[in-house]
Amino acid sequence: AQSVTQLGSHVSVSEGALVLLRCNYSSSVPPYLFWYVQYPNQGLQLLLKYTTGATLVKGINGFEAEFKKSETSFHLTKPSAHMSDAAEYFCAVSPLSGGYNKLIFGAGTRLAVHP
Amino acid sequence: NAGVMQNPRHLVRRRGQEARLRCSPMKGHSHVYWYRQLPEEGLKFMVYLQKENIIDESGMPKERFSAEFPKEGPSILRIQQVVRGDSAAYFCASSPPSRGNDYGYTFGSGTRLTVV
Repeated sequence: AQSVTQLGSHVSVSEGALVLLRCNYSSSVPPYLFWYVQYPNQGLQLLLKYTTGATLVKGINGFEAEFKKSETSFHLTKPSAHMSDAAEYFCAVSPLSGGYNKLIFGAGTRLAVHP
Repeated sequence: NAGVMQNPRHLVRRRGQEARLRCSPMKGHSHVYWYRQLPEEGLKFMVYLQKENIIDESGMPKERFSAEFPKEGPSILRIQQVVRGDSAAYFCASSPPSRGNDYGYTFGSGTRLTVV
């Protein structure tokens, strides 16, 4: 069965510092991978996704993530945090390709950015 | 070009009442998914529907919960005889009819159900 582990339920960084949010997955086949962001009392917004091709994926708001098959990881990074990045971030996997699928989410990482 | 519309945004029900949550998918999207987010947890899949068909309801509780997506109108998630444990945020997502999985879903803003 597929699963997603997000290390660290809370991460706190200073404004301007590197953001690193960790995501590891377990899957018998290479899945599709997603990062979503959720601002308070709002829905989920897609930050970026990996399906096929280049393993370094760039998303919105300066975020990027790298798919490392050997490490079964898909960590999210941003070189310089901004106050507006404070939100909850969810990593998700989609086990199959070519058809419908249910997303399997990690428990989320709440990012705090302080001045 | 409206996104996925969910209503109401907030819903308060007393124990034992019924809750009806509505979801209108994006234009051109015929696949609808419902997810539930319990406090301090990630989203959990509940059900996947296409027009007039339930494709996968493996995440739905066996009792009191039902979902439909009629030929006309929004998708409805119905919770009968609500209990305190049903308090959660319920999110709807939609995708286009083909290769929707590759692009990720488009989520609505959710309905936050509080059972008092």
